[in-house]
Amino acid sequence: AQTVTQSQPEMSVQEAETVTLSCTYDTSESDYYLFWYKQPPSRQMILVIRQEAYKQQNATENRFSVNFQKAAKSFSLKISDSQLGDAAMYFCAYRSPISGNTPLVFGKGTRLSVIA
Amino acid sequence: GAGVSQSPRYKVAKRGQDVALRCDPISGHVSLFWYQQALGQGPEFLTYFQNEAQLDKSGLPSDRFFAERPEGSVSTLKIQRTQQEDSAVYLCASSAAEQVRAYEQYFGPGTRLTVT
Repeated sequence: AQTVTQSQPEMSVQEAETVTLSCTYDTSESDYYLFWYKQPPSRQMILVIRQEAYKQQNATENRFSVNFQKAAKSFSLKISDSQLGDAAMYFCAYRSPISGNTPLVFGKGTRLSVIA
Repeated sequence: GAGVSQSPRYKVAKRGQDVALRCDPISGHVSLFWYQQALGQGPEFLTYFQNEAQLDKSGLPSDRFFAERPEGSVSTLKIQRTQQEDSAVYLCASSAAEQVRAYEQYFGPGTRLTVT
């Protein structure tokens, strides 16, 4: 079974600075998807960024980018120019593409605080 | 268009009561997932529907948990004889599975269940 580990329960960053959230995972599969989700206090899980394992290029979405190291099974999220609205819980998630639609496997999350 | 909706947003139940949690997926979405998120944890998979068929219920923690999606749209998660350990946020997510590699799951705001 796949597992996802987020080793930083809490992180903080100054507004306008850059922060990196860590994630490692364990799998025997060669093809899979990785995600970062943001969960604000409203509880709505919002997709931040996705990465397909067969793509070597790291995904980017505006101020959000990932550092995907397949051999090391590492998938970190970098948030640049942090904003107050970035404060939330961030979850790293794994999904296997095998047999159609499969559930997400989540880490325990990292609580990000943004200091004005 | 409308996103995934869930009702009620909050539910307080006395231990031993039965509860029913509702999920309205995005119109036309074939796949529907239920997750349980305990306090301070990441979501954990409960069960998965493709249309009206429940294809995976391996994550249901006990036979007190039951889910249905009789017409392939709205789904209900029922918990019988609630226990304190059932206290959690229950998240529903839907996904369009027409594409072979469809992978984005859209989440609802969740139902926070408190068992007293």
